[in-house]
Amino acid sequence: EAGVVQSPRYKIIEKKQPVAFWCNPISGHNTLYWYLQNLGQGPELLIRYENEEAVDDSQLPKDRFSAERLKGVDSTLKIQPAELGDSAVYLCASSRLENTEAFFGQGTRLTVV
Amino acid sequence: SQQGEEDPQALSIQEGENATMNCSYKTSINNLQWYRQNSGRGLVHLILIRSNEREKHSGRLRVTLDTSKKSSSLLITASRAADTASYFCATGYGGTSYGKLTFGQGTILTVHP
Repeated sequence: EAGVVQSPRYKIIEKKQPVAFWCNPISGHNTLYWYLQNLGQGPELLIRYENEEAVDDSQLPKDRFSAERLKGVDSTLKIQPAELGDSAVYLCASSRLENTEAFFGQGTRLTVV
Repeated sequence: SQQGEEDPQALSIQEGENATMNCSYKTSINNLQWYRQNSGRGLVHLILIRSNEREKHSGRLRVTLDTSKKSSSLLITASRAADTASYFCATGYGGTSYGKLTFGQGTILTVHP
């Protein structure tokens, strides 16, 4: 079975520019997570979806971040405009059901210059 | 916000020795999960233990959970150089936050050949 696929793997942008990350979860997985991970830190939850519904977006900086999960499958995370402090690895994960093991993609490493 | 706190932050051992990592958390959980992260494979799920379980084994891994102390430990027996990685505990919530998965800061394990 294919794992969680994220693209792009790396992205370098100038500050104030927009950027988007894409995630294709494992087929049949209802729960989708977006995390942000800074170097030397654990992943921090940005948003969690159950099917197409964002059930937890309390940690998402809504002034510049947005996300969507079309038809409860693929998801896109967008930052507009990007700031220097947004440089991090953005991880997508999915799980079959809530409170089961999560499978992670390889992440997108964002560098804002 | 991150609920789990791992201890120690870093651990250095010789191949063949056992490695023990601890995780403490603050609020009631549905389950606790352990993940490994190295540069080659990203975040990989190791084991999930539910709040009504006290101990779980998987190969060379042994996880214990003490809900009265709000703590868990991960024991890796007969460690190998390939076990070198960062290890994270993640707490799965119940109640109104059912399905939320929050990571700690991690323990960096180095196994010397």
